[in-house]
Amino acid sequence: QQPVQSPQAVILREGEDAVINCSSSKALYSVHWYRQKHGEAPVFLMILLKGGEQKGHDKISASFNEKKQQSSLYLTASQLSYSGTYFCGTERGNTPLVFGKGTRLSVIA
Amino acid sequence: DSGVTQTPKHLITATGQRVTLRCSPRSGDLSVYWYQQSLDQGLQFLIQYYNGEERAKGNILERFSAQQFPDLHSELNLSSLELGDSALYFCASSVSPSGSGYEQYFGPGTRLTVT
Repeated sequence: QQPVQSPQAVILREGEDAVINCSSSKALYSVHWYRQKHGEAPVFLMILLKGGEQKGHDKISASFNEKKQQSSLYLTASQLSYSGTYFCGTERGNTPLVFGKGTRLSVIA
Repeated sequence: DSGVTQTPKHLITATGQRVTLRCSPRSGDLSVYWYQQSLDQGLQFLIQYYNGEERAKGNILERFSAQQFPDLHSELNLSSLELGDSALYFCASSVSPSGSGYEQYFGPGTRLTVT
């Protein structure tokens, strides 16, 4: 089942913060976050696993609420390079990733 | 550069035709995933191969098929093409047979245009 991302789109000025949410109605084993710039391939950002383990970039932070099956991606002090579409992918254990529809982030000067 | 290669980069063909998209995974990765991304849409999982064997199947049409060869490269075959098949097709690779705890590395994609 496809996770739901919110917001669908957000516009920030440089230096502002944003939170992107991803929620599922099913129990999850892991949540993956990817960023895709227009016309390019998605790039891995972070994995959050059931039990609290995280893997990813030092400058990206995220959380995973196992009880609520929700994950949030925190973008602080945004830079122009943060612009793109952010996808969460959820995985229920030995199953393929199911990606959400994405959140389009635009950072303006 | 993710280390995943895809060819061709662009493909324009007519309805009813058949095309083959090729993907070479990162060195050491045994899993290959295929995704379809239509305009302003998310990534739709099509199929996964692990070490030559089909591992999982998603929303893949019967007109589409794939395989992974002994050297681990993979091909996605699309036949009887329709206008609606126009999309970006990505492959991704991973070390793991499942998604659990392992990131996927995406290739640059093949943009297919069916006219």
